[in-house]
Amino acid sequence: AQKITQTQPGMFVQEKEAVTLDCTYDTSDPSYGLFWYKQPSSGEMIFLIYQGSYDQQNATEGRYSLNFQKARKSANLVISASQLGDSAMYFCAISNQAGTALIFGKGTTLSVSS
Amino acid sequence: EAEVAQSPRYKITEKSQAVAFWCDPISGHATLYWYRQILGQGPELLVQFQDESVVDDSQLPKDRFSAERLKGVDSTLKIQPAELGDSAMYLCASSLSDKGSYEQYFGPGTRLTVT
Repeated sequence: AQKITQTQPGMFVQEKEAVTLDCTYDTSDPSYGLFWYKQPSSGEMIFLIYQGSYDQQNATEGRYSLNFQKARKSANLVISASQLGDSAMYFCAISNQAGTALIFGKGTTLSVSS
Repeated sequence: EAEVAQSPRYKITEKSQAVAFWCDPISGHATLYWYRQILGQGPELLVQFQDESVVDDSQLPKDRFSAERLKGVDSTLKIQPAELGDSAMYLCASSLSDKGSYEQYFGPGTRLTVT
């Protein structure tokens, strides 16, 4: 069975600073995908970034990058130059290539202050 | 930009009543998912459709929940009778394929309160 662990219930950062949100995973599948989603207080889930297990390079999308360490089974999200609008809940999720639904972690609440 | 539509956005119902949620995925998306998210937790899958077929409903409480996607497009999730523990956000998502590398697009959700 697949599992996602997010150990940081809450993180606090000031505007323009970088922040790392931790995610570790457990899976027995050799092929899998890792996702990060942002959920503002309004409730919608916004896709941020994807990393495939066979991707050689760490994924980047604008201010978001994924620090993928396969041997350690970690997939941390790095947000550079935080903005007030980044305040939200962040979820790490995993799926296998066979097409099962996403398995989510419990999430990390990020608060950005000015 | 195409979006996943859900209605209603908010629903308050009394326990033992029936309630239904509707989802219209992005056009062309064959795979549709219903997730339930309890406050403070991550979403958990209730049911997954590939076109009109159910591919995973192992976590769906079938004694009270039902889901259908008759024409392989929009979908309805029903709860009858609703219980207090059903209070949660119900999220619908769709993707082009059921392959794990495809991004899932989420709708705005239906926030259900059972009193």
